Amino acid sequence: SAVISQKPSRDICQRGTSLTIQCQVDSQVTMMFWYRQQPGQSLTLIATANQGSEATYESGFVIDKFPISRPNLTFSTLTVSNMSPEDSSIYLCSVLGTANTEAFFGQGTRLTVV
Amino acid sequence: QKEVEQDPGPLSVPEGAIVSLNCTYSNSAFQYFMWYRQYSRKGPELLMYTYSSGNKEDGRFTAQVDKSSKYISLFIRDSQPSDSATYLCATHGGAGNMLTFGGGTRLMVKP
Repeated sequence: SAVISQKPSRDICQRGTSLTIQCQVDSQVTMMFWYRQQPGQSLTLIATANQGSEATYESGFVIDKFPISRPNLTFSTLTVSNMSPEDSSIYLCSVLGTANTEAFFGQGTRLTVV
Repeated sequence: QKEVEQDPGPLSVPEGAIVSLNCTYSNSAFQYFMWYRQYSRKGPELLMYTYSSGNKEDGRFTAQVDKSSKYISLFIRDSQPSDSATYLCATHGGAGNMLTFGGGTRLMVKP
């Protein structure tokens, strides 16, 4: 299994500001995934981040709101821009195992926007 | 209709009980099935992973997949208060495919 470190683990932010979440993996991986988990809800995929190319966003998510960087095979960042209270969620970084079948998750970033 | 349906619970059981958690799915192309455990304020932890139909056992946990009825189950024997968490089923159709999650079932095991 992969060891995934996310920072920060939690934050309280003012509306209108931006927060960048970092995800570090202990091994090189082709694809990294960013999910959002709203309170009491399941996981929703935001985007897939591939090294060397632009991220692929799911329906309902746009690059201007959630810009993603993937500078190398072990690191990615997700920025939540111009935040509103509706952005209060847990944001999770994920990678696939070596067989590209099972997924592993970081501990998540609990974001509260006030 | 959601692609993966899961009863949200909460499911409350006494310590030592056998717990049965279930999901149904609609896409016959799904072949890989996972169960995740998520404690409050933590990320999901991969608990069980199975491919196609059949059973897989790991300690007190048994995962069961019935592709003919599109039904997946997780059984927990001798449940413990430390098993209290939200359990998420997830599935996909092949290597590298996007995961589809159920809504999660909240389990409470009371001492």
